[in-house]
Amino acid sequence: SQTIHQWPATLVQPVGSPLSLECTVEGTSNPNLYWYRQAAGRGLQLLFYSVGIGQISSEVPQNLSASRPQDRQFILSSKKLLLSDSGFYLCAWRGLAVRGGELFFGEGSRLTVL
Amino acid sequence: GESVGLHLPTLSVQEGDNSIINCAYSNSASDYFIWYKQESGKGPQFIIDIRSNMDKRQGQRVTVLLNKTVKHLSLQIAATQPGDSAVYFCAEKLKTSYDKVIFGPGTSLSVIP
Repeated sequence: SQTIHQWPATLVQPVGSPLSLECTVEGTSNPNLYWYRQAAGRGLQLLFYSVGIGQISSEVPQNLSASRPQDRQFILSSKKLLLSDSGFYLCAWRGLAVRGGELFFGEGSRLTVL
Repeated sequence: GESVGLHLPTLSVQEGDNSIINCAYSNSASDYFIWYKQESGKGPQFIIDIRSNMDKRQGQRVTVLLNKTVKHLSLQIAATQPGDSAVYFCAEKLKTSYDKVIFGPGTSLSVIP
């Protein structure tokens, strides 16, 4: 069966520090991968998506970047965090052969920037 | 652009009653419309989806209705239970080669025992 793992689950970082959030999918090949951010009490904002290794599409201009060094690994990074980067970051995957709308989400990484 | 959302609207329902959660969408270039459930502190979970050429689809205790004329989507939950308390998001999958999935602002459902 397929699983998705995100880490760390929680982190507190000072303004100006770097960030690296990791997401790994197991049990599937060549998935579409997504990073979403959710501010407290709000909806999900699509940040990045990827259809293959090294292929990253950015949805909004921001202080963050994403990379896909391996087929099932998706990394969200920042060189210098801002207060506004605080939020709940969710990684998701979707199978290429799937026609419907189902995404499979990880458990999320909660980031607090102080 | 993508919906960042305002603070979540709330729906309170008595246990055992039916719930109806509504969603308006703006993009006409979507091939699927989807409902997700998010419990506190967790990632969203898929509930049900509907293809854009359909107007109704039923699942276990849930029904999704799609009205393309007015760009409206609804989720009906029959015999609502305390475990249904969560935030519900509608989403749409765009007809692009990248399968972008865009989420709506969400509704918080609170079930009163």
